[in-house]
Amino acid sequence: QAVLTQPASLSASPGASASLTCTLRSGINVGTYRIYWYQQKPGSPPQYLLRYKSDLDQQQGSGVPSRFSGSKDASANAGILLISGLQSEDEADYYCMIWHSSAWVFGGGTKLAVL
Amino acid sequence: EVKLVESGGGLVQPGGSLRLSCAASGFTLSSYEMNWVRQAPGKGLEWLSFITISGSTKYYADSVKGRFTISRDNAKNSLYLQMNSLRVEDTAVYYCAREDDLDTFDIWGQGTMVTVSS
Repeated sequence: QAVLTQPASLSASPGASASLTCTLRSGINVGTYRIYWYQQKPGSPPQYLLRYKSDLDQQQGSGVPSRFSGSKDASANAGILLISGLQSEDEADYYCMIWHSSAWVFGGGTKLAVL
Repeated sequence: EVKLVESGGGLVQPGGSLRLSCAASGFTLSSYEMNWVRQAPGKGLEWLSFITISGSTKYYADSVKGRFTISRDNAKNSLYLQMNSLRVEDTAVYYCAREDDLDTFDIWGQGTMVTVSS
């Protein structure tokens, strides 16, 4: 089982909100991890969005709109990237990442379609 | 302008070697920890390796441990990835990424393509 699992795809309408999940493998407690989120558009390297551990330990990337925010669902053992007021430019691949067992680990990524 | 530029990619046969370079400009490499990340065609991101500022500590993904070696030359403002015993499955775009003091990968290069094929 992968350390981080993300749904392969998600679609939402312009102006709506999208909740992208990053589920940690059973036995790895989401509460103890900072979760980092990156956005990647076709043909470009990833860009850092934000990191979230708790409401007191979170950080927004430079220039990243406040429409992007992080949270956790402890019951699902998952980190969440919430994008509100979806815009066409938000269509991209989104990756979560954690530091686990002396290694950075990426989730498989979610392709977000805005249509 | 703060920038990372990778070079050294290309076509190599299985079992061959390649050395990637990552040149930093607009900032002092010696102030940052650094990483290598790759992305196979049409696939997701895969972290490969991390190196501390001094180069004294290095970490590797299991998939490349024993085959790849990360290093840096702070005097030359450069990061390197020596790749040996290359496999077809190592075919990917290879990115170097700067890790800031908040442990975010805040600056990425544009990537260099490595193709392993006979």
